[in-house]
Amino acid sequence: NAGVTQTPKFQVLKTGQSMTLQCAQDMNHNSMYWYRQDPGMGLRLIYYSASEGTTDKGEVPNGYNVSRLNKREFSLRLESAAPSQTSVYFCASSGSIGLGEKLFFGSGTQLSVL
Amino acid sequence: DQQVKQNSPSLSVQEGRISILNCDYTNSMFDYFLWYKKYPAEGPTFLISISSIKDKNEDGRFTVFLNKSAKHLSLHIVPSQPGDSAVYFCAASHSGTYKYIFGTGTRLKVLA
Repeated sequence: NAGVTQTPKFQVLKTGQSMTLQCAQDMNHNSMYWYRQDPGMGLRLIYYSASEGTTDKGEVPNGYNVSRLNKREFSLRLESAAPSQTSVYFCASSGSIGLGEKLFFGSGTQLSVL
Repeated sequence: DQQVKQNSPSLSVQEGRISILNCDYTNSMFDYFLWYKKYPAEGPTFLISISSIKDKNEDGRFTVFLNKSAKHLSLHIVPSQPGDSAVYFCAASHSGTYKYIFGTGTRLKVLA
C-alpha cells in the first residue's frame, strides 16, 4: 500500500521555467492538499481540494495553480518559477475535510529555483 | 502572523529521560490539535491528537496535554529513545475551516 506518492523527488529549475508536481493517493481519500516547508516557517498550505471537482486557496497560493484530475490525483503547477519558490513541497490527503481528520503525507519534492 | 508557535527550535535529551515539546497558539477558535513527527527525507507522519474537550490524551509513550486557558499544549515522550530523534510539528484546526495550521517544528535529538 503506497499511500501518497509524489513525483519527482528532486527538481532544479531556472527562473521563469514551468513545471508540474504530481501527487497520487491510493487510500480512496476525498480531500487532498499541497504544503510547502521552508526553514523557520513550518508547513504552509498552498491549495487544497475538499473533494473531486473542487479546489480552494490556502495560506500562500500566489504563483501556483492546481488541478484535481480525479479522486486519486492532485497536481501543483508552477507557471513561471521564482527563486522564492525554492522549498520542499508535500502533498497530503485525508478522508474528508472535517474536524479530527488526520493528514497523510507524501515523502516530498525538493525544488530549487536558480 | 504565526498562529501556532513552537519556540524551541531544538531539544536534546538523554535516552530514557522525558522529552517535553511545547506549542503555543493564539487563536482561541482552535479546537483540535495534532502532533506530527518527521524524519529526514520523509513526509510528516501522524503521532497523536487531542480535542479541546479534553486536557490529556495518552498513547503508549506519548502523552499530549492541553491547557486551553494558557493556549498551550505539550507533548511528553517517556521514556525517550534514540529512534524518537526527529522534527516534531504541532498543528491546530477549528471547526470553521478544517484546515490545519502548523508550527515551525522542534528538532529532538535523543542521545544514547
